[in-house]
Order: sequence, then structure tokens, then C-alpha cells
Amino acid sequence: AQSVTQPDIHITVSEGASLELRCNYSYGATPYLFWYVQSPGQGLQLLLKYFSGDTLVQGIKGFEAEFKRSQSSFNLRKPSVHWSDAAEYFCAVGLNAGKSTFGDGTTLTVKP
Amino acid sequence: DVKVTQSSRYLVKRTGEKVFLECVQDMDHENMFWYRQDPGLGLRLIYFSYDVKMKEKGDIPEGYSVSREKKERFSLILESASTNQTSMYLCASTRTATGELFFGEGSRLTVL
Repeated sequence: AQSVTQPDIHITVSEGASLELRCNYSYGATPYLFWYVQSPGQGLQLLLKYFSGDTLVQGIKGFEAEFKRSQSSFNLRKPSVHWSDAAEYFCAVGLNAGKSTFGDGTTLTVKP
Repeated sequence: DVKVTQSSRYLVKRTGEKVFLECVQDMDHENMFWYRQDPGLGLRLIYFSYDVKMKEKGDIPEGYSVSREKKERFSLILESASTNQTSMYLCASTRTATGELFFGEGSRLTVL
């Protein structure tokens, strides 16, 4: 069965510092991979997605993620974090017909 | 701007009441989903629908039912609400080919 692991429940970074959020997945086939962001009290918004091709994908708000098949990972990165990036981040594996399995999420706190 | 709209942002109900959560999307998506979100548990799939009048159980369907009479509308029904159904409920939709989910803003239900 497919699964997604986000090892870090909570991460704190200083504004302007770089960020990496980890995601590992378990899935039998080539996965569709997604990162979503959720601001407090809101629904989830897609940051970026990987279907095939270039393993480094660019998303909105300056985020990028790299698919590494050998490590079953899809880590999210941002070179310089802004205070508005404070939110909860979810990694997901997409299954057939749009069904997705989500990780438990990582909460990002940004220090001034 | 594309949109998934959930009819109620906040609801307070009493144990045993029947609860309807409504979701409408304006993107002509085939697939619609209801997720439940609880702290530390990520998003868990309750039910999904591939087409009008079609529904399939997700991972935690017990205590819930759904209705999809029109393509744009997907309703979640709690026949007899219980306190353990206090949660945030998220509706989402997607086109089969892409798999990326578009979420509503969520409905926070409290059952007393």
C-alpha cells in the first residue's frame, strides 16, 4: 500500500534562511507527487507537482522540489524563507483518478 | 478564478443530529472528495466520487454517507453526529488526467 512520511512534525527557521522539508514515499509504480500548503483556517493550495521528466520542479512562491527515485524522496526547498511562508505543508502521492495519500504534515514557523 | 466552495465554514451541532456539509465546484471536474483533517493525523479520505451518482468509500467511511446528484455538487452527510466526528472537513475536486486537488476552505464541525 502507498504511504507518505514527513519526518519533521515542526520546523523553525529564521526569516531569510533556507528551508528544506523532507518527504519520503512508498509506492509500487512511478508516482505522481505533490506538495500542498495550508495557511491557518484555510484549505490546501498546490505548491508544485511532479508527474515525469525533469526531476527538479519549480512551483509557486519560489518553492522547488527534487524527485529522487533511488531515495524515494521528494523534498521541498526554498532558498530564502519569508515570514508569510509560515504554514503547514503536506506532501502527497497521487493515485489513480486523483486519489491522493497525504503525509501528516510539517508545520513551519518563521522567526523574525 | 476556479473555485471549490464549502457552504459552511463553522458549524456547531448536538449529538444525534443529522448534519449536511455541501461542496460545489465550478471547474467541471469529474472527481470529488471529502477528507477529514485532525491534528497529527494529516488528511484522511472519507468518500470520493468519480461521476454523478457514483461513490466509493475511502479510508474512514464509517458514520458518513455522501450524495452526488449533480456533477458540480458533492454532499457529506452525518446521519447521527457523534462527538468523535468533531473535526475539520475538506472538500476537493480534480480532473482525472492531472490528479492535482483543488480544495475548499474547509468546514469546522463541532459536535457537543
